[in-house]
Amino acid sequence: AQKVTQAQTEISVVEKEDVTLDCVYETRDTTYYLFWYKQPPSGELVFLIRRNSFDEQNEISGRYSWNFQKSTSSFNFTITASQVVDSAVYFCALSESYTGGFKTIFGAGTRLFVKA
Amino acid sequence: DAGVIQSPRHEVTEMGQEVTLRCKPISGHDYLFWYRQTMMRGLELLIYFNNNVPIDDSGMPEDRFSAKMPNASFSTLKIQPSEPRDSAVYFCASSSARGLAGAPADTQYFGPGTRLTVL
Repeated sequence: AQKVTQAQTEISVVEKEDVTLDCVYETRDTTYYLFWYKQPPSGELVFLIRRNSFDEQNEISGRYSWNFQKSTSSFNFTITASQVVDSAVYFCALSESYTGGFKTIFGAGTRLFVKA
Repeated sequence: DAGVIQSPRHEVTEMGQEVTLRCKPISGHDYLFWYRQTMMRGLELLIYFNNNVPIDDSGMPEDRFSAKMPNASFSTLKIQPSEPRDSAVYFCASSSARGLAGAPADTQYFGPGTRLTVL
């Protein structure tokens, strides 16, 4: 069965600190997709990144970076030099296929507070 | 280009009333998703459509919930009768493209959500 665990419920950092949000997933499939979404206080969900299970390359986008490790079933997200605007709830999600369709589940989210 | 459009943005209704939430996906997207977000249960996928056809509705909580997609540019989620425990934010999302093993691989674009309060 699918499962996405974001063990950190809330994280509080001071501006300019680096912060890593953890995501651990469970799946029996060899083919799946992993996602990160950001939900700022305004409420909309904003896509950040997706990874398929065959692409373990780490990715960097500006101050954001992602570390995908199949060996530990983790897909962690790091924000470098955090800013107040990074304050939001961050969700990790997993999609996998089954005959006739697919399932997407989200982790419980990690609320990040960045203080000035 | 317009993103996913949802209406209304806020809905307050009384228990027992029918509620209809509306969604217009991004033009050209062939997948449409309905999600519900609550503090207790987080973000849950309720149902999704591919080319207007419901593919998986196993996340729909009860028979009181129904969803339709009469055409590629419009979908509704209906709750009849509504109950206080249905209070939540309901998101619609759309995506396109088919990736590995048939899963939609492209970005899921979310609408702004409808905040439903059932008194």
